Amino acid sequence: GQNIDQPTEMTATEGAIVQINCTYQTSGFNGLFWYQQHAGEAPTFLSYNVLDGLEEKGRFSSFLSRSKGYSYLLLKELQMKDSASYLCAVMDSNYQLIWGAGTKLIIKP
Amino acid sequence: ETGVTQTPRHLVMGMTNKKSLKCEQHLGHNAMYWYKQSAKKPLELMFVYNFKEQTENNSVPSRFSPECPNSSHLFLHLHTLQPEDSALYLCASSQDSDSGANVLTFGAGSRLTVL
Repeated sequence: GQNIDQPTEMTATEGAIVQINCTYQTSGFNGLFWYQQHAGEAPTFLSYNVLDGLEEKGRFSSFLSRSKGYSYLLLKELQMKDSASYLCAVMDSNYQLIWGAGTKLIIKP
Repeated sequence: ETGVTQTPRHLVMGMTNKKSLKCEQHLGHNAMYWYKQSAKKPLELMFVYNFKEQTENNSVPSRFSPECPNSSHLFLHLHTLQPEDSALYLCASSQDSDSGANVLTFGAGSRLTVL
């Protein structure tokens, strides 16, 4: 079966760095997505990786290793507003999105 | 308005009621989706419409009935629901449903409670 694993919850300190991991087992691969979802709000797109390596976008970076079935989202200089759930999703060979259950990130002052 | 708009934001209904959820997008997208989001579970895809044609129905019970009158509007008609159907129902849209870099734009969701 197809599966996406990510930690249920993480806690980090304001100003610090946090890495949220995502491992996947899917039927084929057409890219990996990260979305951010604040409580009571819509998920919003953060990043898309289809080739191995690191994609940097401001304070957020996303890494992909297709051979290891592994990705991480790196958040630097954490701010209180980064408290949210982070959803990892992989597009399989049929262009179906397979979703993880999300990682709730709690930022403490 | 821009983006994806869902109404109502909150809905409480009895098991014998009939209600509808509405979704509207002003992004010029051709694909629209209904997802179910339950606490601590992955998003569950319910229905996909691409160019107004239904392309996915992921074994969703018939008490959920989608309608897509045009590429900007999507409805989810609800009848004789069960308490386990209580969840956040998210609508999303994208340029089309059959491409790799298929970025979804989500609405804020309709929080449904079935008593």
